[in-house]
Amino acid sequence: GENVEQHPSTLSVQEGDSAVIKCTYSDSASNYFPWYKQELGKGPQLIIDIRSNVGEKKDQRIAVTLNKTAKHFSLHITETQPEDSAVYFCAASITSNTGKLIFGQGTTLQVKP
Amino acid sequence: NAGVTQTPKFRILKIGQSMTLQCAQDMNHNYMYWYRQDPGMGLKLIYYSVGAGITDKGEVPNGYNVSRSTTEDFPLRLELAAPSQTSVYFCASSYEGTANLEQYFGPGTRLTVT
Repeated sequence: GENVEQHPSTLSVQEGDSAVIKCTYSDSASNYFPWYKQELGKGPQLIIDIRSNVGEKKDQRIAVTLNKTAKHFSLHITETQPEDSAVYFCAASITSNTGKLIFGQGTTLQVKP
Repeated sequence: NAGVTQTPKFRILKIGQSMTLQCAQDMNHNYMYWYRQDPGMGLKLIYYSVGAGITDKGEVPNGYNVSRSTTEDFPLRLELAAPSQTSVYFCASSYEGTANLEQYFGPGTRLTVT
């Protein structure tokens, strides 16, 4: 079955710097890759996603890139702000497969003011 | 819309006890999911449902049961609670089909088994 590895497990940056979180997946049939943000005491919330027919997607300060050949995808956050501090999860899915997501282990991002 | 709601927020169980974690959504989503979140392990899928009367196992189903008698509700049953079931449990729901794959999560239930 699908396996998703996420690195790093913790990341600390200064406010205004960029942050990059990387994930690799094992199943070449996976074609949907979302990123979720989880704030303390809350459930995860989707922040951006990408499908396998696209190499990059941007939404203001966040972007996701996908390399299907290498089976890895990354989350990029520019101009980080203290409110970006949270746990970030990547996931992989086959869109025809009932929407089941396989999640990475999570990255705790700390943005220091 | 309330979105996805979960009760209780916290619960302490003794080994061998049973309980039901409640989950409800008011978005008319056909797909619903139960995950558990352990520290440093991400979220693991326990069970999922693609509609009323249809459920299936996820990655870690042992020790749990589910039912889906209505579109809105998807309770998770723990029988004979064990310390290994200490975790935070999240329920989620999503639309059917491939156009919108976002999963909407509830606030979670923190369960401790001692």
